[in-house]
This record gives sequence, C-alpha cells and structure tokens, in this order.
Amino acid sequence: GQNIDQPTEMTATEGAIVQINCTYQTSGFNGLFWYQQHAGEAPTFLSYNVLDGLEEKGRFSSFLSRSKGYSYLLLKELQMKDSASYLCAVRLTLSGGYNKLIFGAGTRLAVHP
Amino acid sequence: ETGVTQSPTHLIKTRGQQVTLRCSSQSGHNTVSWYQQALGQGPQFIFQYYREEENGRGNFPPRFSGLQFPNYSSELNVNALELDDSALYLCASSLYGNSPLHFGNGTRLTVT
Repeated sequence: GQNIDQPTEMTATEGAIVQINCTYQTSGFNGLFWYQQHAGEAPTFLSYNVLDGLEEKGRFSSFLSRSKGYSYLLLKELQMKDSASYLCAVRLTLSGGYNKLIFGAGTRLAVHP
Repeated sequence: ETGVTQSPTHLIKTRGQQVTLRCSSQSGHNTVSWYQQALGQGPQFIFQYYREEENGRGNFPPRFSGLQFPNYSSELNVNALELDDSALYLCASSLYGNSPLHFGNGTRLTVT
C-alpha cells in the first residue's frame, strides 16, 4: 500500500524557524509536493521536489531524499498567518500515464506570539 | 488568469439522495481531478478526467461518477448518498503531465 506520515500538530513562535517532516512508502514515485491549507480553504501549492536536494522559495524551503523516503518543509521567519495545515503529497504515475497525488493527513501548525 | 472555481460552496443533502458538484478549471488547464477530504484528513483521490474521459480512479464505488466538458469544466455526481460521504470535495486542475495541481475552494457536503 501507500503510506505517508507526518506529525499531527506542531507549535512554534513568531519569527522562529520550524521544520515539518514527512516520510513516505509508495510505489511509482514521481515527485513530492507540499501544500498549505488554511481552515475551510483550498490547499495552495507551496513547493515541489522530484530530485534529491533542497528547493528554496523565499521563506519556504523543501528537501527530498528519495533513498530515505523522506522530505521536510522548512519555514523561516514565521508569521502568524503561517498558522495552517501543511500537507505532504507524493505523486504517482500509474498505468495509462495518469498522475495522482497521495496525501498525508497534514500537520497543523500553530504560530503564537 | 482565472483560478479553479467550484459550486456550490455548501450543500446539505439527505441520505439516499443524489448530488452534483461543479468545477471550472483554471484557464489553460486540460486535466481535472476530484478529491474527497474528510475532517482532519488529507484529500483522497476520487478520479481524474482528461479529454472528456476518466483516465484514473481511486478507491471509490461506482456511485461516484463524473463528467468533463469540451471547455474542460467538470462535474462530480454522487448517487445514493451515505452519511460517510459528508466531506469537503475538492476539484483540482492542471496541465496533463507533471504540472502541479491547483485546487478550488471546495464544496462542503453534509449528508444527514
């Protein structure tokens, strides 16, 4: 089966750095995505890794190690608006050539002053 | 650039009824996927449409069906609603291939 694990909840202080980990056991890996989801809203795309290493995008960075089945999302200079759920998702390419995302349950991040 | 739009935003139905949810894809996107997100969980893949045909399906029963139209908009139909169908239904569009999914704000379905 497909399995994606991430911590259920995390808390952090405004201005700090937080790292959200994600481990996965899937078949047909074709990239790992991070999405941010505020309560009652749509998931919004944050970052994407298909090769090993670090991808940096402003205050957000994401890292991937395919051999370890591991990724993390790093959020720097935390702001109150970063309080949200962060979803780790693995893209699988299946027979017929179509892609689908398998999501973890999400990590609820609470940023406090 | 117009994003993904879904309608309605909220819906309350009774067990056994049927429901149709609608989605307009982002401009230029030709692929639509539907996901079900239960409270406190990540989205679960229902199916994907490309060129008006279903070309991928998750672990959902046949009473979940869909359509894609020539303008790439899409519908999700659920027959014989069950209480466990209560969830946020997300539509996502993309270009066929390896582009990221862009999600709409979802339809919150409550089955009583």
